[in-house]
Amino acid sequence: GAVVSQHPSWVICKSGTSVKIECRSLDFQATTMFWYRQFPKQSLMLMATSNEGSKATYEQGVEKDKFLINHASLTLSTLTVTSAHPEDSSFYICSARSGKDYNEQFFGPGTRLTVL
Amino acid sequence: GQNIDQPTEMTATEGAIVQINCTYQTSGFNGLFWYQQHAGEAPTFLSYNVLDGLEEKGRFSSFLSRSKGYSYLLLKELQMKDSASYLCAVLDSNYQLIWGAGTKLIIKP
Repeated sequence: GAVVSQHPSWVICKSGTSVKIECRSLDFQATTMFWYRQFPKQSLMLMATSNEGSKATYEQGVEKDKFLINHASLTLSTLTVTSAHPEDSSFYICSARSGKDYNEQFFGPGTRLTVL
Repeated sequence: GQNIDQPTEMTATEGAIVQINCTYQTSGFNGLFWYQQHAGEAPTFLSYNVLDGLEEKGRFSSFLSRSKGYSYLLLKELQMKDSASYLCAVLDSNYQLIWGAGTKLIIKP
């Protein structure tokens, strides 16, 4: 099956710093990538959808200036959490969808962010 | 609005059978997914239903009734490793996944 990787798998940073998370599709071209956030004991919450080469579409309530998304190529999308605060601590998961099959999303392993 | 309902938590015994229900109301329907998620890990794909009926895959089966907006995931011969959260998600008319809150399944010996 298709493989999606994320890096780093966990990160601890100080409040006020920025953190970049990478999401890569390893064996397919991802025309669309999704970024999710999951707080403990809650379900996945879609933050934004990005299509290669165009601006990301953010969900209501997600600050686009705080969560910068770049989908520069068909195999790489990045999420940058700018000026991170403790309330941004969460599990961030990306998923990718190829242009061939609209029905399936392949998930990365997730990145656990802890902001001190 | 769009809504997906599933029980918050269920408990079952090792070796038994458990059925996790999911009801949905979404704008359009392009299929329903079941995912398994262990604590601290990303979801892993279990099943996809787009037509009515039962899809069987080993110990796991998934059922869909589009007219009722209803699905269930059936797990047989439960093992301790099946303790996880099970997420129901519907692909809406925009091909966007709408997620349920997940059902935490606890397996007891």
